[in-house]
Amino acid sequence: QVHLVESGGGVVQPGRSLRLSCAASGFTFNSYAMHWVRQSPGKGLEWVAVLSHDGSDAYYADSLKGRFTISRDNYNSNLYLQMNFLRAEDTAVYYCARNLGGRDMATIIFDSWGQGTLVTVSS
Amino acid sequence: QLVLTQSPSASASLGGSVKLTCSLSRGHSSYAIAWHQQQPEKGPRFLMKLNSDGSHTRGDGVPDRFSGSSSGAERSLTIFSLESEDEADYFCQTWDTGIVVFGGGTKLTVL
Repeated sequence: QVHLVESGGGVVQPGRSLRLSCAASGFTFNSYAMHWVRQSPGKGLEWVAVLSHDGSDAYYADSLKGRFTISRDNYNSNLYLQMNFLRAEDTAVYYCARNLGGRDMATIIFDSWGQGTLVTVSS
Repeated sequence: QLVLTQSPSASASLGGSVKLTCSLSRGHSSYAIAWHQQQPEKGPRFLMKLNSDGSHTRGDGVPDRFSGSSSGAERSLTIFSLESEDEADYFCQTWDTGIVVFGGGTKLTVL
């Protein structure tokens, strides 16, 4: 059974940094591209980033480039999101999600989701 | 521009059925989409991948009460034998090179 558990959220001041983690289990982690997706009341669901199964290729939403970095530890089956220079508009629940196509990143469908971790950016 | 349009709300009776629709923007009628369900205070759940020809693949454990269909640029999710736990937000999702698009979601109320 696929299980994704996010952690690391909290309240952070504007301009500061935060690192989110996602612990994966129940599947062969290094065979899947993985995503971060966020959900805020004002903007709905927004895809954040994807990382290839081996960590060699990363793609980001245009609006986030340069501030966020996605990474993974395949040995321990963990996915990460480093968020820098945080802004109020980054306030959202952040989900990690598995890619339906496994290693194939040509198809972007999220076939498993975590329960999310809330990030609040506020002074 | 790739856009997905959903009605904001729908309602149907317990034990009945309901059809939710997601419309692809002009020029994108061949795109496949995914349907996801989000119950209150929970993370989303993948329901199915729905192709332009109406063929669909359900996620693990998704009952066959959930069915997909396609007509032109419309991608529909029909839920049969409605249960109380089907009361949730339903949103569609698709992708193109470098972008991922979500519909605004439909809030389903089971009466």
